Amino acid sequence: GENVEQHPSTLSVQEGDSAVIKCTYSDSASNYFPWYKQELGKRPQLIIDIRSNVGEKKDQRIAVTLNKTAKHFSLHITETQPEDSAVYFCAARAGNQFYFGTGTSLTVIP
Amino acid sequence: GAVVSQHPSWVICKSGTSVKIECRSLDFQATTMFWYRQFPKQSLMLMATSNEGSKATYEQGVEKDKFLINHASLTLSTLTVTSAHPEDSSFYICSAQAGAGNNEQFFGPGTRLTVL
Repeated sequence: GENVEQHPSTLSVQEGDSAVIKCTYSDSASNYFPWYKQELGKRPQLIIDIRSNVGEKKDQRIAVTLNKTAKHFSLHITETQPEDSAVYFCAARAGNQFYFGTGTSLTVIP
Repeated sequence: GAVVSQHPSWVICKSGTSVKIECRSLDFQATTMFWYRQFPKQSLMLMATSNEGSKATYEQGVEKDKFLINHASLTLSTLTVTSAHPEDSSFYICSAQAGAGNNEQFFGPGTRLTVL
């Protein structure tokens, strides 16, 4: 089955700096890669996603890049704000199943 | 739109009892629902995928006789934890997907199960 790895597990940045979270996947058939933000005690919320036929997607301060050859994709958050502090999960869709990375706890220091 | 609810939000039960958790898509028809388990400060682990009207597909290592999944309608899936034990204590989250070709999944708020 699909194996999704995510790094780093924890990340602290100063407010205004950028944050980058990286994921790799194993199944070359995976074709959809969403990123979720989960605040403590709440459900995961989709923040951005990318399909396998696209290399990059941007939505305001958030961007995702995908390298199909290398089987890795990354989340980029620019101009970070304290409210960006949360746990972020990447995921890969293989067939009809979603497999999640291990999560990154992001702390934005005011 | 795209709201998914779960009931109950928290349940405490005695060891050996069975617990049913409901997952409902409130404003859309979910052809596929997913059940995840999440331990504190850990990732979501996919347990099973259920399609309306058919048997659920369980991930490797998940006991189908232990975790019974029923997806009887396009808006309701249930997870029953049978003969619960303390090690089954966890946060269970469902998600729902609307229609083939629609990739996005919408998560329920989760159910915290505590087995004494």
